[in-house]
Amino acid sequence: IAGITQAPTSQILAAGRRMTLRCTQDMRHNAMYWYRQDLGLGLRLIHYSNTAGTTGKGEVPDGYSVSRANTDDFPLTLASAVPSQTSVYFCASSVGHTGDNEQFFGPGTRLTVL
Amino acid sequence: GQNIDQPTEMTATEGAIVQINCTYQTSGFNGLFWYQQHAGEAPTFLSYNVLDGLEEKGRFSSFLSRSKGYSYLLLKELQMKDSASYLCAVMDSNYQLIWGAGTKLIIKP
Repeated sequence: IAGITQAPTSQILAAGRRMTLRCTQDMRHNAMYWYRQDLGLGLRLIHYSNTAGTTGKGEVPDGYSVSRANTDDFPLTLASAVPSQTSVYFCASSVGHTGDNEQFFGPGTRLTVL
Repeated sequence: GQNIDQPTEMTATEGAIVQINCTYQTSGFNGLFWYQQHAGEAPTFLSYNVLDGLEEKGRFSSFLSRSKGYSYLLLKELQMKDSASYLCAVMDSNYQLIWGAGTKLIIKP
């Protein structure tokens, strides 16, 4: 079934640990995104990639890094987790990054940093 | 700064009509999106407006006025399954989506 998957579904992490959230899509979409969603706030863009091999910083990139080695995968790494990174993380993809390209979202990863 | 405003919560009755408003101030405008998000789930696309006017899609319609920085989502013949959060998002001049905090819609029988 075509779509976008994320792993893990949820994770509890000790502060200071390194963590990689995985995201894979099989729709051959060019653009991919990482958002975090916190209660009372809108989705906030962390990093994005308009096409394989390129990445860019969103609104809240500090403490996170990404890579886009191929079309399908877009992992998000927390180098040294802090409690303020406790959030729900959504990966999304779209055919293109401009205009009316709707974004398709993965099921999310619920991350708790203690 | 960039800002998207929408009501935090609304309540409506099954079978009725509800209008969810969204006002925005962004650096540039490349379209406005509405998404639906059920509790504990991912957002799903509802509509896209880039020109002024009304776009109708079944029970859902979305309106845009670019001069007023204003949009609304109209839901008709409300069903219990419409209980969800509705997210307004504007694509700015950098083609990045700026999201509102969402409107939680509660449907009562």
